[in-house]
Amino acid sequence: GQQLNQSPQSMFIQEGEDVSMNCTSSSIFNTWLWYKQDPGEGPVLLIALYKAGELTSNGRLTAQFGITRKDSFLNISASIPSDVGIYFCARQGAQKLVFGQGTRLTINP
Amino acid sequence: GAVVSQHPSRVICKSGTSVKIECRSLDFQATTMFWYRQFPKKSLMLMATSNEGSKATYEQGVEKDKFLINHASLTLSTLTVTSAHPEDSSFYICSARARLAETGELFFGEGSRLTVL
Repeated sequence: GQQLNQSPQSMFIQEGEDVSMNCTSSSIFNTWLWYKQDPGEGPVLLIALYKAGELTSNGRLTAQFGITRKDSFLNISASIPSDVGIYFCARQGAQKLVFGQGTRLTINP
Repeated sequence: GAVVSQHPSRVICKSGTSVKIECRSLDFQATTMFWYRQFPKKSLMLMATSNEGSKATYEQGVEKDKFLINHASLTLSTLTVTSAHPEDSSFYICSARARLAETGELFFGEGSRLTVL
């Protein structure tokens, strides 16, 4: 199937640092989504991107839809303890949502 | 925002028994609901697409007789794990798409953790 390659798989950072993660695909997509999952919970949508080149912010989070429509990145600025969790990119198909492998973020106080 | 609720959040059962997990859309009607399975430290894997009033569409490799899905109303879909075995232990998550959602945004439930002894 169409795979999403998400990196890095895990990150260990200090509180206050900025974070960057990305997702790539061999196929072109029309929608990129970024989710966060807290332990024992379902994913929550952070940012949705619908146009190539689109740059969207949600508080300290910024995401961009790559101009080739095959990649996207998510940045978190000035990380805080509650940013801990797993971040997933996802692509929206005609019906289905397919997730990347996830980036597990750990923050040292 | 839209809310999707799953019940139970945790269930422990004996091997060989069947377990039903409910997924409800609380403030919108959901034409389509999706069921995902997530193993520890892994991503969400789509199991099946549940359409109100019709049979579910299962992903390749998912046993339809093992994982029974019913979407009898616009606000409720159920997943029944039949004759559960320890390897069925996992985190099951549902999501729902609002009936008139233009963007097709999905809202996720809180997940249900199944442990089969």
